[in-house]
Amino acid sequence: ELKVEQNPLFLSMQEGKNYTIYCNYSTTSDRLYWYRQDPGKSLESLFVLLSNGAVKQEGRLMASLDTKARLSTLHITAAVHDLSATYFCAVGPPGGGSQGNLIFGKGTKLSVKP
Amino acid sequence: DSGVTQTPKHLITATGQRVTLRCSPRSGDLSVYWYQQSLDQGLQFLIHYYNGEERAKGNILERFSAQQFPDLHSELNLSSLELGDSALYFCASSTREGGQGNTIYFGEGSWLTVV
Repeated sequence: ELKVEQNPLFLSMQEGKNYTIYCNYSTTSDRLYWYRQDPGKSLESLFVLLSNGAVKQEGRLMASLDTKARLSTLHITAAVHDLSATYFCAVGPPGGGSQGNLIFGKGTKLSVKP
Repeated sequence: DSGVTQTPKHLITATGQRVTLRCSPRSGDLSVYWYQQSLDQGLQFLIHYYNGEERAKGNILERFSAQQFPDLHSELNLSSLELGDSALYFCASSTREGGQGNTIYFGEGSWLTVV
């Protein structure tokens, strides 16, 4: 059974600091997603990572994937208050198949304080 | 705005009742997925339809059913509702049936409260 673990689950940061959220998954997968969710809102797609060594960046967020270690990271650079949200990683099922059958981590609730 | 439309946005109903949640995927997307988000279970995949046919089932209760219509909109039917069914139900869509790479877009969700 595919399991996805994120850590930390809660993260309180000061503006201007850097930090990394980790996402480990238990079995081989061919795709990993990062989403952002504001309280009571939809999930906003941030990154889709498909291959070992993939790195994608958007603004202050950078995501990477190490399929051998079954690990993805979401790095936050010089955090600002607007980044406060819950961040989820999600992994596709082993062996491919329905790309929507994603297994989500529990989410990391990020709070950026001035 | 992801382009995925869900109705209703909020719904309050009594135990034992039945409700229908509706989803219109993004224009051109053939795949529709349903997810449930609750505090205790987190985000769970329920079911996937592609071009009208069921493609994958997740942790969907027997009291729940779904379908995708020829115009590609989808409905999730929840019956014999229990307090524990209270959750945020998301619909998502993507272009292809399977394979790699497509972004999966989520709607705003339907808040269901069972009292």
